[in-house]
Amino acid sequence: GAVVSQHPSRVICKSGTSVKIECRSLDFQATTMFWYRQFPKQSLMLMATSNEGSKATYEQGVEKDKFLINHASLTLSTLTVTSAHPEDSSFYICSARGASFTYEQYFGPGTRLTVT
Amino acid sequence: AQSVSQHNHHVILSEAASLELGCNYSYGGTVNLFWYVQYPGQHLQLLLKYFSGDPLVKGIKGFEAEFIKSKFSFNLRKPSVQWSDTAEYFCAVNSEGYHDMRFGAGTRLTVKP
Repeated sequence: GAVVSQHPSRVICKSGTSVKIECRSLDFQATTMFWYRQFPKQSLMLMATSNEGSKATYEQGVEKDKFLINHASLTLSTLTVTSAHPEDSSFYICSARGASFTYEQYFGPGTRLTVT
Repeated sequence: AQSVSQHNHHVILSEAASLELGCNYSYGGTVNLFWYVQYPGQHLQLLLKYFSGDPLVKGIKGFEAEFIKSKFSFNLRKPSVQWSDTAEYFCAVNSEGYHDMRFGAGTRLTVKP
């Protein structure tokens, strides 16, 4: 149980375009979802926290207009990178937490974004 | 604010050697502590977690960690590593009152056959 999927696993887009990444909890209802960014050989940096039906809370330094997060249902959250630039190239990882999990999060496999 | 520090950036061991990876956190209240492993090309997997109770926690694949509250530490140990343990290891903390989880910088473990 507690499986989180992400789609796509890899995406290449041109500079200036937007790309959407989906995060789904497959077998539980995710009351909270988190989006992380991981640069090569570095740790995960929390970008934002989203609760179902409410606006995401962004970490300091993360542009909310650039990284649009929508948590429309208890099983789906999306991250849209708008007007992507090469410096947005990174590994984006989502995690989800259900109401019964309290503090534990389950991680998706990640999405590799390359902006050319 | 909660933060996590991992002292070792890259550890290289031979098979059968013992492993200890350091993790310290900065938060004075109640904490939940985790160790995750990320094998090359794969996603994060939970190795073990501590919420309360016995401070010596046993996880999967022979790993264990000890929570020492007075030292704000949660070091990961394994008595005898295998080549297949080569991976990136992340310590993470979730503190009372915070919804999110903070990760340490990670420690890359390379086990030589």
